[in-house]
Amino acid sequence: DGGITQSPKYLFRKEGQNVTLSCEQNLNHDAMYWYRQDPGQGLRLIYYSQIVNDFQKGDIAEGYSVSREKKESFPLTVTSAQKNPTAFYLCASSTWGLAGGKNIQYFGAGTRLSVL
Amino acid sequence: QQPVQSPQAVILREGEDAVINCSSSKALYSVHWYRQKHGEAPVFLMILLKGGEQKGHDKISASFNEKKQQSSLYLTASQLSYSGTYFCGTGDYKLSFGAGTTVTVRA
Repeated sequence: DGGITQSPKYLFRKEGQNVTLSCEQNLNHDAMYWYRQDPGQGLRLIYYSQIVNDFQKGDIAEGYSVSREKKESFPLTVTSAQKNPTAFYLCASSTWGLAGGKNIQYFGAGTRLSVL
Repeated sequence: QQPVQSPQAVILREGEDAVINCSSSKALYSVHWYRQKHGEAPVFLMILLKGGEQKGHDKISASFNEKKQQSSLYLTASQLSYSGTYFCGTGDYKLSFGAGTTVTVRA
């Protein structure tokens, strides 16, 4: 079955700790994205990557880091610099290069991060 | 820039209709509509492209007015399964999403 797998489903972070959220896709998509979702605020883009070994900051990249060493994988690290990390994190993937907004994004089931 | 959705929330009885609007201050290439159940992944419903075409997904349809830079999602004869939060996404290569409209359908 093709899809996007995020793990873990729930994650707890202690003060001063970095934590890494996993995202894997087997849709053969070039582009991958990380979003943060807070109640009433919709989806805000953290980082995105159009191709392996390249990624771009989104609207709220501060306190986060990513890597894209393989096409299938796009892990997100929430660093200790992110002072308010409690949120629902969603990973998505899509084709890239179809102009006119035709790249449809498909989402994983999300990781809920809480601070201890 | 984030598109603006209205209303923020709507409560329906089964069989009633509703309209959700999505508007942008920027020119739109396309509008994507998603539905998210609580704690789950957003699910793609449909994409509206330039040309003002109307599309449908079961009894959920949408229109796209380029001149007004807005799209509307129509929930017709709503079912309990229509409950969830609906998001519109706009943009060219990457999307900006609205804050969402929470739809509750009651028996």
